[in-house]
Amino acid sequence: NAGVMQNPRHLVRRRGQEARLRCSPMKGHSHVYWYRQLPEEGLKFMVYLQKENIIDESGMPKERFSAEFPKEGPSILRIQQVVRGDSAAYFCASSPQVQSSYEQYFGPGTRLTVT
Amino acid sequence: KQEVTQIPAALSVPEGENLVLNCSFTDSAIYNLQWFRQDPGKGLTSLLLIQSSQREQTSGRLNASLDKSSGRSTLYIAASQPGDSATYLCAVSSDGNAGKSTFGDGTTLTVKP
Repeated sequence: NAGVMQNPRHLVRRRGQEARLRCSPMKGHSHVYWYRQLPEEGLKFMVYLQKENIIDESGMPKERFSAEFPKEGPSILRIQQVVRGDSAAYFCASSPQVQSSYEQYFGPGTRLTVT
Repeated sequence: KQEVTQIPAALSVPEGENLVLNCSFTDSAIYNLQWFRQDPGKGLTSLLLIQSSQREQTSGRLNASLDKSSGRSTLYIAASQPGDSATYLCAVSSDGNAGKSTFGDGTTLTVKP
C-alpha cells in the first residue's frame, strides 16, 4: 500500500508565477489535509478537504491560495502570484473515511522556493 | 484557540539513556494527540496516536502518555540510539474539529554514540 504521495518534491517559481502542488492520499483515504512549514517554524494547518468538499479552510491565507480535492484525481493546492514569503515546505496528510481515530499519515512534502 | 508547547526545544543525550519529551496544550477538549518524528528535509512519520479516552500507547521502545485534565503528554524513549536523532512533534486535534491538528514546534533530539 503506497503512502501519501506528493509531487513535485521540489518546485522553483519566480515571483508572480503560479504554483500547483499535488497530493495523492493513501489508498482508501478520503480525507486530505494541507499544512505549511515556514523556515525555522512549526507546521501550521491550512485546509481540510474531503472528496469535492472543503471542510475547514480556516488556516488558508485569504488571497492567492486555493485548494481542491476532486472526485477523481489528486488534491491540488494552488498558489497564485507567488511571493518570496510563500517559500516553505508544504505537507499533505490523509486519513481514512470510516476510521474514527483521524490518524493522519503524511507525505514527503513539496519544497517551494520563490526566487 | 488551541496552543501546543513542547519542552525542551533541543535535547542532547548519550546513547543508551532513557529520556522524556514533553508536550502541553491549553485546551483540554481534545479528540486525539499524535506524536510524530521528522528527519531533516523529510516528511513526518507517525509514531503513536492516543485517543482522548486513552491514557497511554506503546510501540517498541516508545511510550506516550496523556493526561487530558492537566493538558500534558509525554513521550518516553527507552535505551536511546543514534538513529533516534530527529525532531519530535506533538499534534493535538480538538474535540469539535477532529480533522484540524495543532502542532508544537518540536523537540530536536540528538543521541551521541
